[in-house]
Amino acid sequence: EVQLVESGGGLVQPGGSLRLSCAASEFTLSSFWMSWVRQAPGKGLEWVANIKEDGSEYYYVDSVKGRFTISRDNAKNSLFLQMNSLRVEDTAVYFCASVKLGIWGQGTLVTVS
Amino acid sequence: QAVVTQEPSLTVSPGGTVTLTCGSSTGVVTSGHYPYWLQRKPGQAPRTLIYDVTNKHSWTPARFTGSLLGGKAALTLSGAQPEDEAEYYCLLYYSGPWVFGGGTKLTVL
Repeated sequence: EVQLVESGGGLVQPGGSLRLSCAASEFTLSSFWMSWVRQAPGKGLEWVANIKEDGSEYYYVDSVKGRFTISRDNAKNSLFLQMNSLRVEDTAVYFCASVKLGIWGQGTLVTVS
Repeated sequence: QAVVTQEPSLTVSPGGTVTLTCGSSTGVVTSGHYPYWLQRKPGQAPRTLIYDVTNKHSWTPARFTGSLLGGKAALTLSGAQPEDEAEYYCLLYYSGPWVFGGGTKLTVL
């Protein structure tokens, strides 16, 4: 079964760091742009970042620029999101996805408190 | 970054037709924005219904149709079913970054 599985979420204090991982199975992640999307409690979906197939291009929403870093390890079929200087407003469920292919993980909860 | 606007809520009768729209603060929405439409139900991962304006996935019910309409992206639901009650989000491309709309809560009643 094609799936993406996120991990690495949890509770962290403001100013702290977390590294999210997204492992792909039955799906060759290296062939596609990949994204991180989040949804804060009671809010809508927010696109956070994406990265090109070979990692040579990446983009971020303004609110995370300079704090978050998206990366990928195609050999390990994995996507990452390094989150530094976390703020209370970063609290959300974080999804990794190939939005165009319609492949989404189930999400991992990040709580900054 | 740009702001993408959607109707906050809409109601449709079972079997009825409704159109959700997606506008951009930068002007007319075009095929160059590669509009997506996603469905979100509580407790479930988002589901991509439409990509690149009109394209459907294998799991997208035929009653959903994507288009460009009056300078906006549009999602038309024809023959609404109770299971279509959900939040619907559009997503637009801005030459690198993407931006979601605020979502439309669709009630089938």
